[in-house]
Amino acid sequence: SQTIHQWPATLVQPVGSPLSLECTVEGTSNPNLYWYRQAAGRGLQLLFYSVGIGQISSEVPQNLSASRPQDRQFILSSKKLLLSDSGFYLCAWTSRVGGTDTQYFGPGTRLTVL
Amino acid sequence: SQKIEQNSEALNIQEGKTATLTCNYTNYSPAYLQWYRQDPGRGPVFLLLIRENEKEKRKERLKVTFDTTLKQSLFHITASQPADSATYLCALEGMDSNYQLIWGAGTKLIIKP
Repeated sequence: SQTIHQWPATLVQPVGSPLSLECTVEGTSNPNLYWYRQAAGRGLQLLFYSVGIGQISSEVPQNLSASRPQDRQFILSSKKLLLSDSGFYLCAWTSRVGGTDTQYFGPGTRLTVL
Repeated sequence: SQKIEQNSEALNIQEGKTATLTCNYTNYSPAYLQWYRQDPGRGPVFLLLIRENEKEKRKERLKVTFDTTLKQSLFHITASQPADSATYLCALEGMDSNYQLIWGAGTKLIIKP
């Protein structure tokens, strides 16, 4: 069966520090991968998605970037964090079966920027 | 642009009653719509998918309807239990079908014993 891992679970970082969040998927090949951010009490904001190694699409211009160095690895990065980067970061993968995109989420990373 | 609306106010339901959540969308006719459950501090979990040519889909105590004329989906939980308390999100296929889902903000459901 497929599983998705994210780490770390929680992170407290000072403003201006770098960021690296990692997501890995097991049990599937060539998944579509997604990074979302969710502010408290709000909906999901799509940040990046990837349909293959090295292929990254950005949905929201900001100081974040994403990379996909391996088929089942997706990394979210920042060179300098802002206070507004605080939030709940979720990685997801898609199984495109029957022409639909059902998304399966990781456990999330709670990021607090101070 | 596509827009999804879910009731932002929490829905309080007495245990044993049927909970009904609403998802309205505009400016688009998606080929399918999905419902997810999200518990605090966790990622959303997929519950049900309904296609545009399906009027109703059931799974155990869950039922979803899809009215493409009204541009509305209703999500029902029958014989509700306190364990059903969570935030429920609806999501629909992106207009460009570019491997994306468009998400509602979710409705918080509270089942009182």
